[in-house]
Amino acid sequence: DTEVTQTPKHLVMGMTNKKSLKCEQHMGHRAMYWYKQKAKKPPELMFVYSYEKLSINESVPSRFSPECPNSSLLNLHLHALQPEDSALYLCASSLLALVGNIQYFGAGTRLSVL
Amino acid sequence: AQKVTQAQTEISVVEKEDVTLDCVYETRDTTYYLFWYKQPPSGELVFLIRRNSFDEQNEISGRYSWNFQKSTSSFNFTITASQVVDSAVYFCALSDTGNQFYFGTGTSLTVIP
Repeated sequence: DTEVTQTPKHLVMGMTNKKSLKCEQHMGHRAMYWYKQKAKKPPELMFVYSYEKLSINESVPSRFSPECPNSSLLNLHLHALQPEDSALYLCASSLLALVGNIQYFGAGTRLSVL
Repeated sequence: AQKVTQAQTEISVVEKEDVTLDCVYETRDTTYYLFWYKQPPSGELVFLIRRNSFDEQNEISGRYSWNFQKSTSSFNFTITASQVVDSAVYFCALSDTGNQFYFGTGTSLTVIP
């Protein structure tokens, strides 16, 4: 089973709202990732968690706040977003955060900020 | 500098034709890994294959085949007898000592029935 589950699938929010994206995997993976993908572009890495600790933050604005409560769960808390933050947000996991580890992706959350 | 180049932005083929998607990469590392992912309209990136830099053996999986050539820094992907279900965006990616995935810009493949 190589399933990464993301909820919700779609989200519409206003610029003053607070919302959260959720990602779950039960493959025993110890690395989890958040990516942002704009239309017709490749995914862009936002955050990497390794053993539940934040190991990479790609200079993401503070209105995006990641959280890894346990090894199976990854959240992305959203606050005061801008319309340009509308995108597909993808979660991925890999066995470890090491070179060459296969990343398995979820189906993503399509976010629209009004 | 772009680490992975997919020069073909969009390709259209008629069903049952063969199609090759090109991927050229750049790295100074001797140990690295190359990947192909498929992204259908539903959005999920589906893992297709991983190769490491020490294994240049070509691989075939059903209608899919991959040609890895270190001499030209290329890792091309061929679909034989394409089908409508192959319509998707395909991404080539590189993982080297930076421990990040460097994705190419993707090739959008449309298979016309």
